Amino acid sequence: EAQVTQNPRYLITVTGKKLTVTCSQNMNHEYMSWYRQDPGLGLRQIYYSMNVEVTDKGDVPEGYKVSRKEKRNFPLILESPSPNQTSLYFCASGPGQGVFTGELFFGEGSRLTVL
Amino acid sequence: LAKTTQPISMDSYEGQEVNITCSHNNIATNDYITWYQQFPSQGPRFIIQGYKTKVTNEVASLFIPADRKSSTLSLPRVSLSDTAVYYCLVGGPYASGNTPLVFGKGTRLSVIA
Repeated sequence: EAQVTQNPRYLITVTGKKLTVTCSQNMNHEYMSWYRQDPGLGLRQIYYSMNVEVTDKGDVPEGYKVSRKEKRNFPLILESPSPNQTSLYFCASGPGQGVFTGELFFGEGSRLTVL
Repeated sequence: LAKTTQPISMDSYEGQEVNITCSHNNIATNDYITWYQQFPSQGPRFIIQGYKTKVTNEVASLFIPADRKSSTLSLPRVSLSDTAVYYCLVGGPYASGNTPLVFGKGTRLSVIA
């Protein structure tokens, strides 16, 4: 089954404790991206990656890091989480490299709470 | 990036046709228009995409006028299960290096029995 898998789905942590949210897709997609969703603000893009070893900042990259060492994985790293990073996070993937369909496939979301 | 403007919310009765219009005055020549649907606590789901004129699939139609400065998502005969947030996005091909699709705040559709 084609899917985007995020882990963990729920996490409560404390300020300053490094954490990683993993994202994996099994569709051989070049493009992957992270979004955060907050009430009243819609979905805002954090980082995106056009292919392996290629990453770019989205609209709200401050406080986050990403890496793209393999095509299927795109982890989101919070080196020193703060309460304003409490949010619902979504990972998405899509075909790229000349195959533009506009269709992104989203994971089920990771709800993060930073105390 | 082309900015999009949609109504914040809409209400409709079951069985009616719903039209959600999105404005995108600064759309670029190679931008596509894409609509997504999102249910609470779920990731957005692709509905439909178009470049110009009219596109129809099994769930919706997308109308795009010649100047492409707006688009209208049409949902025929909505049911309670269509209650969701609908996002209009514009964006260009990934491969060209254009910044990919950017989500706005969406339109919250409430379907009433």
